Amino acid sequence: SQQGEEDPQALSIQEGENATMNCSYKTSINNLQWYRQNSGRGLVHLILIRSNEREKHSGRLRVTLDTSKKSSSLLITASRAADTASYFCATEGNAGGTSYGKLTFGQGTILTVHP
Amino acid sequence: SQTIHQWPATLVQPVGSPLSLECTVEGTSNPNLYWYRQAAGRGLQLLFYSVGIGQISSEVPQNLSASRPQDRQFILSSKKLLLSDSGFYLCAWSVWEHFGDTEAFFGQGTRLTVV
Repeated sequence: SQQGEEDPQALSIQEGENATMNCSYKTSINNLQWYRQNSGRGLVHLILIRSNEREKHSGRLRVTLDTSKKSSSLLITASRAADTASYFCATEGNAGGTSYGKLTFGQGTILTVHP
Repeated sequence: SQTIHQWPATLVQPVGSPLSLECTVEGTSNPNLYWYRQAAGRGLQLLFYSVGIGQISSEVPQNLSASRPQDRQFILSSKKLLLSDSGFYLCAWSVWEHFGDTEAFFGQGTRLTVV
């Protein structure tokens, strides 16, 4: 089942602006991950944040996690036209026992960065 | 380094025909393997996962089956395709190393159109 809800569904910005995408989930998690998908391609892992972490940075990416609100946000700073893609959050559940790395994905945010 | 191969990239099949999609992983041993399906404009849905040779777990009832005849080979099959089987199929692998640190690596996907 799709437990993640992402907003906005689509985001259009100019190069140099920041892009913020949000994700909500329903069950307890081991971690939350963000992936990027270029049109018609496979997904590429961007960043993983553990359930006991609140914020994580990687280059121009900043991810926050609020487990009390069951929500996360992905911030891309100083966006570039090459950042144009779909972005998905995915959670690895923690329903007792081993999750085996199974991921539950959100519906994604389509980001368009105009040059 | 680890790589994942998935083929074919695109496939058009008539209703009622059989299906076989193959995925192989290189550069790692005993990976967890996954088949996901992505409907147009939507997030990914986990179909099957495998933690070892011959071990297959199905996440959703459907017209498809999966097999893992070798450690790094994962096959998605159907005896008779339905129109509703159309979609973008993605193979992925992961290796559970540390609690809360399981990221997935995806193949480039197969676009299946059932006509």
